[in-house]
Amino acid sequence: ILNVEQSPQSLHVQEGDSTNFTCSFPSSNFYALHWYRWETAKSPEALFVMTLNGDEKKKGRISATLNTKEGYSYLYIKGSQPEDSATYLCAFHYDMRFGAGTRLTVKP
Amino acid sequence: NAGVTQTPKFQVLKTGQSMTLQCAQDMNHNSMYWYRQDPGMGLRLIYYSASEGTTDKGEVPNGYNVSRLNKREFSLRLESAAPSQTSVYFCASSESRRTSPLHFGNGTRLTVT
Repeated sequence: ILNVEQSPQSLHVQEGDSTNFTCSFPSSNFYALHWYRWETAKSPEALFVMTLNGDEKKKGRISATLNTKEGYSYLYIKGSQPEDSATYLCAFHYDMRFGAGTRLTVKP
Repeated sequence: NAGVTQTPKFQVLKTGQSMTLQCAQDMNHNSMYWYRQDPGMGLRLIYYSASEGTTDKGEVPNGYNVSRLNKREFSLRLESAAPSQTSVYFCASSESRRTSPLHFGNGTRLTVT
């Protein structure tokens, strides 16, 4: 069984704070690591697909890094805004397995 | 451009009843997936189809069957619904398995009484 773990489970920050969370995955049989953003009452939307060790992706205030040798990825949000409130999911694409997610709440 | 369309949006079944959840995508994607979402457990893969004509089990396939009818359509069938199958079901598609992002439908909320 290949486990994908995300931490923390939930996070509450103030508007303007920068934050980060972690996705851990098995370091063997690596194909790709995906990050998704899931707002309440909507469907998950893809943020990044990361395939290479040392990969760094950025979209606006959100960025992600990847370490396939040690089996982790970090997602960073710079200057959090209330509209960033969502659950952030990672998926380990050896077998399309998702982590349980990090629920981010940004208070105005 | 509709993307991934799931029907129905809501369904209530009695224990033992059967039903089929429909999913269609118009993006010419090769791979399609069915997930269920339960509180505190994230998304769990039920079945996937890497390409037309193939299907494979995911993490939680028991109690479900799937059909990849053609490249566009991937259906999920519950032969004899059980209360444990109460969940929100999401269909997704991707251009290729693993390295292409998943595009999700809007979900089907199923309640089994």
